[in-house]
Amino acid sequence: GAGVSQSPSNKVTEKGKDVELRCDPISGHTALYWYRQSLGQGLEFLIYFQGNSAPDKSGLPSDRFSAERTGGSVSTLTIQRTQQEDSAVYLCASSRLNNEQFFGPGTRLTVL
Amino acid sequence: GDSVTQMEGPVTLSEEAFLTINCTYTATGYPSLFWYVQYPGEGLQLLLKATKADDKGSNKGFEATYRKETTSFHLEKGSVQVSDSAVYFCALRSNSGGSNYKLTFGKGTLLTVNP
Repeated sequence: GAGVSQSPSNKVTEKGKDVELRCDPISGHTALYWYRQSLGQGLEFLIYFQGNSAPDKSGLPSDRFSAERTGGSVSTLTIQRTQQEDSAVYLCASSRLNNEQFFGPGTRLTVL
Repeated sequence: GDSVTQMEGPVTLSEEAFLTINCTYTATGYPSLFWYVQYPGEGLQLLLKATKADDKGSNKGFEATYRKETTSFHLEKGSVQVSDSAVYFCALRSNSGGSNYKLTFGKGTLLTVNP
């Protein structure tokens, strides 16, 4: 079947604007993860969903970041009032519970 | 907390050279260990894994052995090819407590193999 898909692949926005990043996990995968890949920081965990619940949001860097998941499937990561330090590649992964995580191609966010 | 330290490179080799990328970790208990690879323009892919001490993960000619005594998981390949050029990430997943789902990554090592 299809892998994890993410949209958009690239997003350029102006400082202060809100952005939404979308992740479509592999069908049947109950767990979904968001990570951020930025220069100097490497790959950082942001948030974990099991079904529609997010038992671990500890990696979200500030209250400008939020995420939701509906129907146990699609997830949206929202960044409000974007700042230049938010520029990064945002990666989504999905898995069956505690199994191998499969990653999407990422969304490259550039904040001008 | 958990952490992974890997040589940051970049590493440049000639085709057929021997490759080692060092990785050490800090974690409580007995984590699972992984190497991921990111080819140019592509997403992160699992290369190999090991789930307990002395296990050896292997795939596509790459190997890594889980060494509990040295808390290491070094990646090796006997003869690299141009197509191995990519960024390699070492990672761990804790198997204790309530965090047995998220991956903790090293900062990645860029490998370039020249013909």
